[in-house]
Amino acid sequence: QAVVTQEPSLTVSPGGTVTLTCGSSTGAVTSGHYPSWFQQKPGQAPRSLIYGINNKYSWTPARFSGSLLGGKAALTLSGAQPEDEADYYCLVSDDGGRVFGGGTTLTVL
Amino acid sequence: EVQLVQSGGGLVKPGGSLRLSCAASGFTISSAWMTWVRQAPGKGLEWVGRIKSNAGGGTVDFAAPVKGRFTISRLDSSNTLFLQMDSLITEDTAVYYCVGKDTWGQGTLVTVSS
Repeated sequence: QAVVTQEPSLTVSPGGTVTLTCGSSTGAVTSGHYPSWFQQKPGQAPRSLIYGINNKYSWTPARFSGSLLGGKAALTLSGAQPEDEADYYCLVSDDGGRVFGGGTTLTVL
Repeated sequence: EVQLVQSGGGLVKPGGSLRLSCAASGFTISSAWMTWVRQAPGKGLEWVGRIKSNAGGGTVDFAAPVKGRFTISRLDSSNTLFLQMDSLITEDTAVYYCVGKDTWGQGTLVTVSS
């Protein structure tokens, strides 16, 4: 089973831009891994944010975008808001199943 | 509106069994890929398993830590998804979420302890 790696924590200033990444121990993350991103705030269930690299849901704020960057999946937040402070998890396909990354705690400060 | 309402968590002894339920509304679960995800206290998300839609073959896949102990099924007449958990160990203690149509259930706590 692949080990999926994310930055443990990142800090962004209000209005700033930050990129979270998601790498796999098996090699480059590609479209075949169908990377997805989820947001979880304290005490809440996670919420789906991005699917299939860069597809948004109707509820996904426009300031979030997904991409592939240097062999990793990436989630970019442009114009961070205080309410974006949360844990973010990526999810990729692996060997018939799926694997979550360890999560990134994003602080907006 | 798509909604998933979970039930069935609780305290169980090591070696015991528990069945979680996930009642769906706003869509038909047999037409969707339905997933179970868990989160141990203070830890990250862990993918547990998935049942594909009927169109996808209805096959089931599990993560290695639960393979052979957990079963996923659904009852189409009540539009409900189930997670049958057998031979439970303390490491299975977590909040369990069902996920379908990109919507998450509210989660239910399973505690495995003697």
